[in-house]
Amino acid sequence: AQKITQTQPGMFVQEKEAVTLDCTYDTSDQSYGLFWYKQPSSGEMIFLIYQGSYDEQNATEGRYSLNFQKARKSANLVISASQLGDSAMYFCAMREGHNTDKLIFGTGTRLQVFP
Amino acid sequence: EAGVAQSPRYKIIEKRQSVAFWCNPISGHATLYWYQQILGQGPKLLIQFQNNGVVDDSQLPKDRFSAERLKGVDSTLKIQPAKLEDSAVYLCASSSHGGARTGELFFGEGSRLTVL
Repeated sequence: AQKITQTQPGMFVQEKEAVTLDCTYDTSDQSYGLFWYKQPSSGEMIFLIYQGSYDEQNATEGRYSLNFQKARKSANLVISASQLGDSAMYFCAMREGHNTDKLIFGTGTRLQVFP
Repeated sequence: EAGVAQSPRYKIIEKRQSVAFWCNPISGHATLYWYQQILGQGPKLLIQFQNNGVVDDSQLPKDRFSAERLKGVDSTLKIQPAKLEDSAVYLCASSSHGGARTGELFFGEGSRLTVL
């Protein structure tokens, strides 16, 4: 069965510092996609970054980068230069195969950025 | 471009009552999803539509939950009768399957249901 594991219920980081949010996954498929979403207190899920299973380079989107270690089945999110507005819940998710957009989500990590 | 619209944002009902949530996806998005997010958990897929057809409803409690997308655009999710454990945020999302490489889902702000 497909599974996403986020072992950090909460993380604290000081403004302007970098932080890594952990995510491990389990799948028997060779083709899959990994996503990170941010959920602020307003409730909307905001797409941050995507990594395909066949992508050889780690994905980057501005201050967000994905540390993809396929052999270890991990897809950690790195946020550089944290900002107060980064305080939110962060969810790792997985899509299996190319023929579906269905996502399976982890339980999330609450990130709090302090001045 | 307008995002995914959901209503109502908040709803409080007593157990055994009924409730309906409405979602209007991004224009042109063929695929629509309803997710249930219980407090402290990640979203869980309830049902997926491709145009007006159901693709996946394997996790929808069909004895009390129903959903429709009659014209392949907006959608309604209904719960009847509600139970205490249905208290959650109901998130609607849409995607342009077959378009974007990443298959990114676009989410609405959700409808928060409290069952007393």
